Amino acid sequence: DQQVKQNSPSLSVQEGRISILNCDYTNSMFDYFLWYKKYPAEGPTFLISISSIKDKNEDGRFTVFLNKSAKHLSLHIVPSQPGDSAVYFCAASEKDTGRRALTFGSGTRLQVQP
Amino acid sequence: EPEVTQTPSHQVTQMGQEVILRCVPISNHLYFYWYRQILGQKVEFLVSFYNNEISEKSEIFDDQFSVERPDGSNFTLKIRSTKLEDSAMYFCASSATRGSYNEQFFGPGTRLTVL
Repeated sequence: DQQVKQNSPSLSVQEGRISILNCDYTNSMFDYFLWYKKYPAEGPTFLISISSIKDKNEDGRFTVFLNKSAKHLSLHIVPSQPGDSAVYFCAASEKDTGRRALTFGSGTRLQVQP
Repeated sequence: EPEVTQTPSHQVTQMGQEVILRCVPISNHLYFYWYRQILGQKVEFLVSFYNNEISEKSEIFDDQFSVERPDGSNFTLKIRSTKLEDSAMYFCASSATRGSYNEQFFGPGTRLTVL
């Protein structure tokens, strides 16, 4: 049951360039989306979120874009830094129904090369 | 900066034994959650807890699982009779009030190994 999909298991970019991580979802009830970063042996760390009433949310070097018609979101990191190397998870929840359970994607491992 | 803490970091148990995983959520948060991640698989939702009762649970959260908030700070997950397939990382998370929607903050996890 892959309601949230991250089709790229890994991504490698050069320091200073843009990293673009993608996520697709199938459940039309999802209306709130989050990105988490995870280092080995640590819990997921919240990065940025977006509600379905918006199509863009920005926080420093991180920007999330949401395309509701395509059921697609992306996380842009500009400029990428070596410390950004981690696994990035997309997650979704149903705000309108009041359900708070997060459904996670399988993650994309980002490697930023110095 | 406030953070979610979990103990122990690693728990090894024999199949059939009971285990209790402990969490201290962020102090002013009102929603509490347990998730698990089996090695090589996705992070999966188990249960959410609000106002001293379960508000949501997944199919994974069957009768062998229970949660409790025994005092004002701790939040526990009990597995009554562990199975080999319960081996996983278990993450506790918490989030703030209804007005601040659903940014969940995770603890470092407890690695449960069932032998």
